[in-house]
Amino acid sequence: AQTVTQSQPEMSVQEAETVTLSCTYDTSESDYYLFWYKQPPSRQMILVIRQEAYKQQNATENRFSVNFQKAAKSFSLKISDSQLGDAAMYFCAYRRAGGTSYGKLTFGQGTILTVHP
Amino acid sequence: GAGVSQSPSNKVTEKGKDVELRCDPISGHTALYWYRQSLGQGLEFLIYFQGNSAPDKSGLPSDRFSAERTGGSVSTLTIQRTQQEDSAVYLCASSKGRGADGYTFGSGTRLTVV
Repeated sequence: AQTVTQSQPEMSVQEAETVTLSCTYDTSESDYYLFWYKQPPSRQMILVIRQEAYKQQNATENRFSVNFQKAAKSFSLKISDSQLGDAAMYFCAYRRAGGTSYGKLTFGQGTILTVHP
Repeated sequence: GAGVSQSPSNKVTEKGKDVELRCDPISGHTALYWYRQSLGQGLEFLIYFQGNSAPDKSGLPSDRFSAERTGGSVSTLTIQRTQQEDSAVYLCASSKGRGADGYTFGSGTRLTVV
C-alpha cells in the first residue's frame, strides 16, 4: 500500500523569506502523480502544485516549486517570498496513474505553516 | 456551478440518527470523490464515482455508510445509525476525466454526533 509521510507537524517562516516543506512517500508503482494542497481555516483544499512522476523536470507555479527526487521518493515544496496568505495546513498527496483505484488520493498527515510578519 | 458545493456546512445530530450529506460538483466534471477528515485519522478516502458508477468504494468504513450519484451530477453520502466516531469533516471533490490535473474540493460538511 502507498503511504505518504510529512515529518514536520509545524513550520514557521518570516514574511518574504523562503521555507521548504518535506514529504516522502512509498510506492512500488513507476507512474503516479504527486500533489501539494493547501487548507486554510475555511476548510477548502486548494491545489498548489502537481508533479507527474515520469517528468524529470520539477514543477513550478509562481512562488511555489517542488524538488522531486524519484529514486529517493521525496517530494518537497519550496515557498519563496512567503506571504501572510500562505499560512495554512499543507498536505502532500499521492495518486496512482492507473488501475481501478486511480481515484484515491493518499494524503500525508499535514504541516501547519505559520507566517510571521 | 462555479465550484464544488456541499450542504449542509455544519450538521449536529444525535447518536443513532441517519444523516445525508450532499455534494454538487462542478458542471461537466465526470468524477466525484468523498473524503473524511478527522483529528485522529487525518484525511481518509471513502469512495469515488466516475459518472454514476463507483469503481472504488474500498474506503467506506462500515455498511452504515453508503453513497450514490445520480445523473452524473449530485452525490449524497448517507450515514445510518450515526456513532460518535463518525464526527468529522466530510469533504467532496470533483475532477474532469480521471483527475490527473488535480481535484477541486468543496468546503466540507462538519458532522458532529452528540
